[in-house]
Amino acid sequence: EPEVTQTPSHQVTQMGQEVILRCVPISNHLYFYWYRQILGQKVEFLVSFYNNEISEKSEIFDDQFSVERPDGSNFTLKIRSTKLEDSAMYFCASSEIGKAGELFFGEGSRLTVL
Amino acid sequence: SQQGEEDPQALSIQEGENATMNCSYKTSINNLQWYRQNSGRGLVHLILIRSNEREKHSGRLRVTLDTSKKSSSLLITASRAADTASYFCATDAYNNDMRFGAGTRLTVKP
Repeated sequence: EPEVTQTPSHQVTQMGQEVILRCVPISNHLYFYWYRQILGQKVEFLVSFYNNEISEKSEIFDDQFSVERPDGSNFTLKIRSTKLEDSAMYFCASSEIGKAGELFFGEGSRLTVL
Repeated sequence: SQQGEEDPQALSIQEGENATMNCSYKTSINNLQWYRQNSGRGLVHLILIRSNEREKHSGRLRVTLDTSKKSSSLLITASRAADTASYFCATDAYNNDMRFGAGTRLTVKP
């Protein structure tokens, strides 16, 4: 069964460092998302991406964040200068038909900022 | 708030019992979805219900939607220990991308 894959599964970084989280969405999906979940808390929407551009972003997704689809398969989330409060689980998701359909999530990348 | 809010925050039941979780939201929606998350894992889609639907079933799952009350419920019948997980509702309020609530942590004791 097709799945969304994310790397790395866990990354530890120093505050102020840049981090890139990578995702390979399901191949025929056209809509891509990043969500994050601080330990034990709610799943927060960060950004959605369609047709090679951001279609929606939340207030969390400030200038420190960026997304890119550098090739036909990868979808990346970059945090330019990490803060302690960026420590969370970051989930990538993809969808075939966008908000009208189900989201397929990866297993997440745990980011720990020291 | 823009996302759905689940209730209760935590629920503990015995195997074989039914589990009911509720979700409330504040604006009109096009669809509402329920997801499951095992500890430390990604979310898995369970069921989608559209605003013009009132009830949907999938195996042991039954979802209802009451748009007049802006609420939904997820019923898991004949629960099993393997149903232990967090359950989230998500809505597309304001025609935005899906927003999730804080979830209900369900524990099913064998």
